Amino acid sequence: ETGVTQSPTHLIKTRGQQVTLRCSSQSGHNTVSWYQQALGQGPQFIFQYYREEENGRGNFPPRFSGLQFPNYSSELNVNALELDDSALYLCASSSAQGGRNTGELFFGEGSRLTVL
Amino acid sequence: GNSVTQMEGPVTLSEEAFLTINCTYTATGYPSLFWYVQYPGEGLQLLLKATKADDKGSNKGFEATYRKETTSFHLEKGSVQVSDSAVYFCALSDRKGYQKVTFGTGTKLQVIP
Repeated sequence: ETGVTQSPTHLIKTRGQQVTLRCSSQSGHNTVSWYQQALGQGPQFIFQYYREEENGRGNFPPRFSGLQFPNYSSELNVNALELDDSALYLCASSSAQGGRNTGELFFGEGSRLTVL
Repeated sequence: GNSVTQMEGPVTLSEEAFLTINCTYTATGYPSLFWYVQYPGEGLQLLLKATKADDKGSNKGFEATYRKETTSFHLEKGSVQVSDSAVYFCALSDRKGYQKVTFGTGTKLQVIP
């Protein structure tokens, strides 16, 4: 069974740039969620994708966007980077039926973004 | 909205000591409750869960009981080991529509030999 993998593991950007983070979900999972974890804080829900559509979003501005592909892998895109976007970005996959699931998430190790 | 409050760390214990990490929540309806753990250099992983009132989740010697009357889900272990050193996150999912998991801020546990 292949777990959740994310890339890149670390990256450095400057303010105003754009970034794309990638995630391969665990085999058999059809739902992908993205979370932002600032240093010393718990993960904050960004959005969730199910069947290639966004079906839930947290309190993040539109410059945070995403995609889910037919193989259930996913991308997180952040435009116009700000210093406060520096964080660990976590991808989590899960299995849902009808867009609803149990809350059991399987996380990747994250992509650490530093914005200078 | 939903929220989770857990005790601040770090918590430092000697090996074989008893562990309690307090967690309380605010949510509408009947959420599912979770403890996730993040070991150094690793991703978050589910430790245990409970889906209804009075359920007890357990795994690897850790336990937590879903107390609806006190809106709590405290994590306990009778005898901690050095290998339990990690950050522990209490979390909930309200199971409404799409799944969103709300996490607490985490409690760092350090177990010394």
